[in-house]
Amino acid sequence: KQEVTQIPAALSVPEGENLVLNCSFTDSAIYNLQWFRQDPGKGLTSLLLIQSSQREQTSGRLNASLDKSSGRSTLYIAASQPGDSATYLCAVNPSGNTPLVFGKGTRLSVIA
Amino acid sequence: DGGITQSPKYLFRKEGQNVTLSCEQNLNHDAMYWYRQDPGQGLRLIYYSQIVNDFQKGDIAEGYSVSREKKESFPLTVTSAQKNPTAFYLCASRSGQRHQPQHFGDGTRLSIL
Repeated sequence: KQEVTQIPAALSVPEGENLVLNCSFTDSAIYNLQWFRQDPGKGLTSLLLIQSSQREQTSGRLNASLDKSSGRSTLYIAASQPGDSATYLCAVNPSGNTPLVFGKGTRLSVIA
Repeated sequence: DGGITQSPKYLFRKEGQNVTLSCEQNLNHDAMYWYRQDPGQGLRLIYYSQIVNDFQKGDIAEGYSVSREKKESFPLTVTSAQKNPTAFYLCASRSGQRHQPQHFGDGTRLSIL
């Protein structure tokens, strides 16, 4: 059974710092991986989706990488801002039509 | 704008009462999902539906029921059998096309009176 782990559970950084959020999964046979952002009391917003054949995806200051063989994905946030403060979740799609398997998230605080 | 609408935003349930949470999407997505979110527990899948008139149990289906009579609608009923219903409930949908992202509504917060 696929399991997704995100460490650390919480992270606090000063404004302007570049940072990396980690996601690991137990079964390397995945269809794609998605990163989400969740603000308090809100739903999840999709940030990036990486297909199993891809190594990375970029959107603005965000860059997500995927290493299937080692069961890892990272979300790189450049020049962090207080507005980046949120919980970031990664989710693995095991085989296309199946439900996503979510990690518990990393709660990020960017201090001004 | 296309999206997922969940209503109500806040809901209160009395003991022994069934309540229904609404989820409507205008994204023309085939699959729809219901999750429960508790502090420190992450997202847990309750039910999902990949096509109209069909649905499957997720990891924590006991005490819940769903229907999928229309493609755009996937209501969740929290029955009196669910003894700990207080949580944040999230509805999501996803296209059947390859490598499309999953979208979420803004959630319903359910509390017991």
